[in-house]
Amino acid sequence: AQKITQTQPGMFVQEKEAVTLDCTYDTSDPSYGLFWYKQPSSGEMIFLIYQGSYDQQNATEGRYSLNFQKARKSANLVISASQLGDSAMYFCAMRPSIQGAQKLVFGQGTRLTINP
Amino acid sequence: GAGVSQSPRYKVAKRGQDVALRCDPISGHVSLFWYQQALGQGPEFLTYFQNEAQLDKSGLPSDRFFAERPEGSVSTLKIQRTQQEDSAVYLCASSRHRDRGRYNEQFFGPGTRLTVL
Repeated sequence: AQKITQTQPGMFVQEKEAVTLDCTYDTSDPSYGLFWYKQPSSGEMIFLIYQGSYDQQNATEGRYSLNFQKARKSANLVISASQLGDSAMYFCAMRPSIQGAQKLVFGQGTRLTINP
Repeated sequence: GAGVSQSPRYKVAKRGQDVALRCDPISGHVSLFWYQQALGQGPEFLTYFQNEAQLDKSGLPSDRFFAERPEGSVSTLKIQRTQQEDSAVYLCASSRHRDRGRYNEQFFGPGTRLTVL
């Protein structure tokens, strides 16, 4: 069975600082995908970044980067130059890449608050 | 709009009542997912459709939960004889392809918040 662990229930960061949100995972699948989603108070899950388990380089998308350490089974999200609009819940999720296994398994989430 | 839409956005039901939650996926998306998100938790998978075929319903918590997608587009999640523990946000997501390629991310709707009194 797959499991995602996010150990930080809440994070408080000053505007313009960088922030790292932790995510560790557990799986026996040989290949898998890792995702980060942002959930503002409106409730919609917004896709941020994806990392495949066999990707050679860490994923980057604008101010978002993923610090992927396969041996440690961690996939931390780094947000550079944080903005007030980054305040939201952040979820790490995993999807196995095997046939038919489409569902996402989510962690508990981290509530990020950006202070002005 | 071009995104996933869900209705109603809010639903209050008395215990024992039946409810039906609707999801309109992005046009042309093959895959459709339902998730349940309890307060303060991450979403949990309920069921998955590929076109009209329900390929995975392993996450449905009981036989009171039923989902359908008869024409491979709109989907309905039905909960019979609602209980207080069914109170949650129900999220629908769709993805373009049936395979697991890099860009096959799931696009989520705003969710339906169900409160059972």
